[in-house]
Amino acid sequence: SYELTQPLSVSVALGQTAIITCGGHNIGSKNVHWYQQRPGQAPVLVIYRDTSRPSGIPERFSGSTSGVAATLTISRAQAGDEADYYCQVWDSSTWVFGGGTKLTVL
Amino acid sequence: EVQVLQSGGGLVRPGGSLRLSCSVSGFIVSHSYMTWVRQAPGKGLEWVSVIYTGGSTHYADSVKDRFTISRDNSNNTLYLQMNSLRVEDTAVYYCAKGGLLTGFDPWGQGTLVTVSS
Repeated sequence: SYELTQPLSVSVALGQTAIITCGGHNIGSKNVHWYQQRPGQAPVLVIYRDTSRPSGIPERFSGSTSGVAATLTISRAQAGDEADYYCQVWDSSTWVFGGGTKLTVL
Repeated sequence: EVQVLQSGGGLVRPGGSLRLSCSVSGFIVSHSYMTWVRQAPGKGLEWVSVIYTGGSTHYADSVKDRFTISRDNSNNTLYLQMNSLRVEDTAVYYCAKGGLLTGFDPWGQGTLVTVSS
């Protein structure tokens, strides 16, 4: 079965740029989606189809992909960005989530 | 306004059954891929099931032959019937509108299912 690998945690200083990676075999050929989940809340889609941003999501959130990894970049990090972030792809008729990355804003 | 409102859930004994509901407004359930995702306490997200616009369904191996996803087009509601529940099915269950290219959006508020004796 397909697997997505994310770092367990990432820390970023307030106002700086956070980068969260998502690795998977030939991930560049897949559509990658990203979700933000604040404690006690339902996930929220922040990036879809690798680079697209849903309405209402700040421009500070951006996505990119290469052959072996997808990346979620959060610019000018704010305290409210502190959350768990999950990447997701569709593979062989199933949706697969990465293990999640806890973002801490220092 | 798009809204996804979940109901059901609760405490059930191992081997028992439970049905979750997901009432939708602002879009048509039968015109969308609809999915269920769960999250065990302190763990990550796990996809559970999908029902496609044509009515075909698909399940994660962990719930296959025990869970059934369905929809009521007249009430614009999605369901998840869960049978033969196990302790490891304990989780918060979310319904969401799914899409291969659009991701899962929006999500319901989640409902807790606890399987314990």
